[in-house]
Amino acid sequence: GDSVTQMEGPVTLSEEAFLTINCTYTATGYPSLFWYVQYPGEGLQLLLKATKADDKGSNKGFEATYRKETTSFHLEKGSVQVSDSAVYFCALSPSGSARQLTFGSGTQLTVLP
Amino acid sequence: DAGVIQSPRHEVTEMGQEVTLRCKPISGHNSLFWYRQTMMRGLELLIYFNNNVPIDDSGMPEDRFSAKMPNASFSTLKIQPSEPRDSAVYFCASSFPGANEQYFGPGTRLTVT
Repeated sequence: GDSVTQMEGPVTLSEEAFLTINCTYTATGYPSLFWYVQYPGEGLQLLLKATKADDKGSNKGFEATYRKETTSFHLEKGSVQVSDSAVYFCALSPSGSARQLTFGSGTQLTVLP
Repeated sequence: DAGVIQSPRHEVTEMGQEVTLRCKPISGHNSLFWYRQTMMRGLELLIYFNNNVPIDDSGMPEDRFSAKMPNASFSTLKIQPSEPRDSAVYFCASSFPGANEQYFGPGTRLTVT
């Protein structure tokens, strides 16, 4: 079945550091890929998405590129802020009519001032 | 615009009691999803509806759990009888027709003592 594997956390960075959170997936066909962010005490918010190979999703300084050849969708940000501290989830939605999301286990990010 | 609305935000109950969680999806969305989040198991899809019809309830842990969607603007998740291992944060999410991304509510934190 479909699956998503994220790098294990927690990740702790200093403000303005470069961020990479790795995500790889297993799925048949051409799934859509997502990054969601969960701030403390809140629900998940869609951060960015990509629907086909080589697409780059971007939002709030975060980017991720859909790499079919390596089945990856790594999240990057050039300069993190304290306000980026949250849990980040990689997810996929299979191709076809089903629209269930399969989530990774989440990566806790803490940014220190 | 109002997002997905869940109530209550917090629920504390004793083992054996009935618990009902409520969700109002975003207007115009036709798919609704119930998730459970715990530290041990992460995010789990319990059930999802499409046009008020349950499509996949394979994630519902056991017969103590039931979900209904009587109309396009309301859904309930009921646990009867509740047990301490049901303690978790329960999220409701909804999505537009034909879309893959889901929009999450703030969640209900359930504690069963």
